[in-house]
Parts: sequence; C-alpha cells; structure tokens
Amino acid sequence: SYELTQPPSVSVSPGQTARITCSGDKLGDKFTSWYKQEPGQSPVVVIYQDTKRPSGIPERFSASNSGNTATLTISGTQALDEADYYCQAWDSNTYVVFGGGTKLTVL
Amino acid sequence: VRLQESGPGLVKPSETVSLTCSVSGDSISSGDNYWSWIRQPPGKALEWLGYIYYSGSAFYNPSLKSRITISVDTSKNQFSLRLNSVTAADTAVYYCARQAYSYGHNLYWGQGSLVTVST
Repeated sequence: SYELTQPPSVSVSPGQTARITCSGDKLGDKFTSWYKQEPGQSPVVVIYQDTKRPSGIPERFSASNSGNTATLTISGTQALDEADYYCQAWDSNTYVVFGGGTKLTVL
Repeated sequence: VRLQESGPGLVKPSETVSLTCSVSGDSISSGDNYWSWIRQPPGKALEWLGYIYYSGSAFYNPSLKSRITISVDTSKNQFSLRLNSVTAADTAVYYCARQAYSYGHNLYWGQGSLVTVST
C-alpha cells in the first residue's frame, strides 16, 4: 500500500521559516494537499493541487511537489500557525492517502 | 456548504458503526465532487476510509474493504457509512467531507462525530 512519511515534529522561532516535508514514492506524479488541524477542530486545507492556496489562507503558506517529496513552507511563522499539519496525496490509482502528521511548534 | 455527521456515539464490539452525513449548500448530484469519510483515532493521524460519487460508485481504503460500505441518497442529499465487525481499534472521530473531483482535496469538512467501541 502507498505510504506518506512526515517528520513527527518541527520547531521554529516566531518570524522564521518553517518547512514540513512529506515523502512518498513518485509523489510528484500525484496531486498533494496540506491540512492544518488545531486541537479539537476539523482539518482545514491550506494548500491544494500541489501549490494553490484556498481563499482566506495567508500568502505566507506555500508549497512544492517534485520527485518523491512535497514541502509545505510557512514564511514569517506566527504563534497562531502552531498546529498539526497533514499532507495528502491523491490520484485515480492509489486514491487518498494521508501522511502521519507533523506537530509544528512555534517557540 | 455545510456537512453534518449523525449517528450513535457508542457501539459494542463486533457490531456495526452507522453514520450519516447531511449536506447543505451544495447538491451531491452536481457531479463536481466525491463525498468522503475520514476518521482519526484519539491522538493519531487522519485515515481515509473511502468516498462515493453521486452515481453510487464507491472507492474504499484497501485495508477496510471487507468491512466498509458507503452509500448515497441523492433525494435526501445525504451519504452514509457502515463499518461492520468493529473493535476498539475503530474508536475514532469520524468526519465526512467533500472532496474535489479534479484535484482530490477536501475543502469542506463536518465537525466530526466521536464513535467509541466499548461494551
């Protein structure tokens, strides 16, 4: 079965750039999305179609997807960005797969 | 667009989890989306369970394929999940969501429904 691997945790200082990776076999051939989940809340999509931001998501959120790795980048990280982040891959062959999640801590 | 899960919060081992997702603000019959079930055990990661198209075509997580059924009722603008032979490992918050047909992202989610499997 297809698997996505994320680091369990990432720490960043306020104002710095946070990068969260997501690895999977030929991930660049699939559509990736990224979700932010705060405690007790439903996930919110922050990136879809590899690089696009939904309406209302700040410009400091960006992403890339190539080869075997997708990366979510948060520039000028703020305390309110602290949350769990999940990557998701989709294509018509493997359907939907979520990564194991990364806890982002803003120190 | 709003999605709302409903169903029992407590299920006994070996029995069946049955949940319904009611959709408002969008028509399941529009054909632009898949309608998904996703769950999250306490303290753990999201797990995709499956999705259904308005036509009734359903696609399931291979790890659950023998136990899961997703159905759709376009007349009520609802879709449903049945997961049978449950164990404590099926205890989770169950979310319904709308997945974009073209790019696979889930833009709209329900608030989630906690299902506990216990005697």
